[in-house]
Amino acid sequence: EILMTQSPATLSVSPGEGATLSCRASQSIGDNLAWYQQRPGQALRLLIYAASTRATGIPARFGGSGSGTEFTLTISSLQSEDFAVYYCQQYNNWPLTFGGGTKVEI
Amino acid sequence: EVQLVESGGGLVQPGGSLRLSCAASGFTFSSHWMHWVRQVPGKGLVWVSRIKSDGSSTTYADSVMGRFTVSRDNAENTLYLHMNSLRAEDTAVYYCARETTLPGSFCDYWGQGTLVTVSS
Repeated sequence: EILMTQSPATLSVSPGEGATLSCRASQSIGDNLAWYQQRPGQALRLLIYAASTRATGIPARFGGSGSGTEFTLTISSLQSEDFAVYYCQQYNNWPLTFGGGTKVEI
Repeated sequence: EVQLVESGGGLVQPGGSLRLSCAASGFTFSSHWMHWVRQVPGKGLVWVSRIKSDGSSTTYADSVMGRFTVSRDNAENTLYLHMNSLRAEDTAVYYCARETTLPGSFCDYWGQGTLVTVSS
């Protein structure tokens, strides 16, 4: 099973600032990585797939990069609706596995 | 608009059974593989199961294999998760999710979940 490790666990950011979230895989997963956003009481939202491709309707302030074992989600100029928990997920191997999440707080 | 609405959660005793449902709308349900993912409140996400678009193939996490069964009714646009021999560690919010038709087994739409509590 591939272990996904996210850092930091919590990120404190002011509105308008940028944020960089990291995700590391225990073995190479190519670019088979997705990022999701989870807001309280709402369904998970797909942000990024194939490590760097924004999903339909996702604002350009969300960007993904990386390949192999190291990945990054970048959020430029955080808006109020961006304060949430973010998860990475690998889909290169079964079982699918998720990171533990990064909470982005004000 | 794609919608996935889970139901069937609740309180069940250890060793008991429960059937979760996921009603799908706003897309051609029979064209998509579907997944179940669970989350202990306040914790991370754990993949549980996957079923092929026509129901002919299923995959499970080791932790639920032999106890959980995923099925679907494409005529009713509904996904199911039959859970038997439930344990305290199965307590979680259960989400259904639609697998994309793009290359890769990631999910592009998720439901809001239904809470299963296993306790005496």
